[in-house]
Amino acid sequence: AQTVTQSQPEMSVQEAETVTLSCTYDTSENNYYLFWYKQPPSRQMILVIRQEAYKQQNATENRFSVNFQKAAKSFSLKISDSQLGDTAMYFCAFTSMSGTASKLTFGTGTRLQVTL
Amino acid sequence: ETGVTQTPRHLVMGMTNKKSLKCEQHLGHNAMYWYKQSAKKPLELMFVYNFKEQTENNSVPSRFSPECPNSSHLFLHLHTLQPEDSALYLCASSQDGTGGYGQPQHFGDGTRLSIL
Repeated sequence: AQTVTQSQPEMSVQEAETVTLSCTYDTSENNYYLFWYKQPPSRQMILVIRQEAYKQQNATENRFSVNFQKAAKSFSLKISDSQLGDTAMYFCAFTSMSGTASKLTFGTGTRLQVTL
Repeated sequence: ETGVTQTPRHLVMGMTNKKSLKCEQHLGHNAMYWYKQSAKKPLELMFVYNFKEQTENNSVPSRFSPECPNSSHLFLHLHTLQPEDSALYLCASSQDGTGGYGQPQHFGDGTRLSIL
């Protein structure tokens, strides 16, 4: 079974600064996908970024980028130029390439507060 | 417009009541999911439907009964619930039909369920 661990329950960053959220996972599979989702107070879970395990290049999406270390099973999220709207819960998630649908395994989340 | 709509947004019910949660997706996806989100716990996958067929039941108690009449609609029928069932119930959909190709899931805003 896969597990996802987010060791930082809460983090705080000042506006315009950079913050990195940590995520580690455990799996015996070689091909899989990793995701970061954001859940603001509005409750809707929003996809931030996706990484395919067979791609060595780290995924980037505007101010969001990941540091994917496959051997270490680490998948951290870097938010650059933080904005007040980035305040949310951030969840790391894993899905394997087996099966017939993308079942996600989530971590417990990191609550990020962006301050002035 | 989120693409995935859940109703009701909030639900308060007694332990002997019967109610249903509704989810509708307008994205043309083939797979739909129910998740339970409790405080300080990872999102728990409950059920997966792929092309209207249930492909996953994650050891969910029988007091939760899913129904998927077509690829756009998903219901969660509730009866004789317990206080520990109070949580946010999230519905999601993804393009997957077959193969588990890591398609991102799109989430609704959830139903906040409180059991008295």
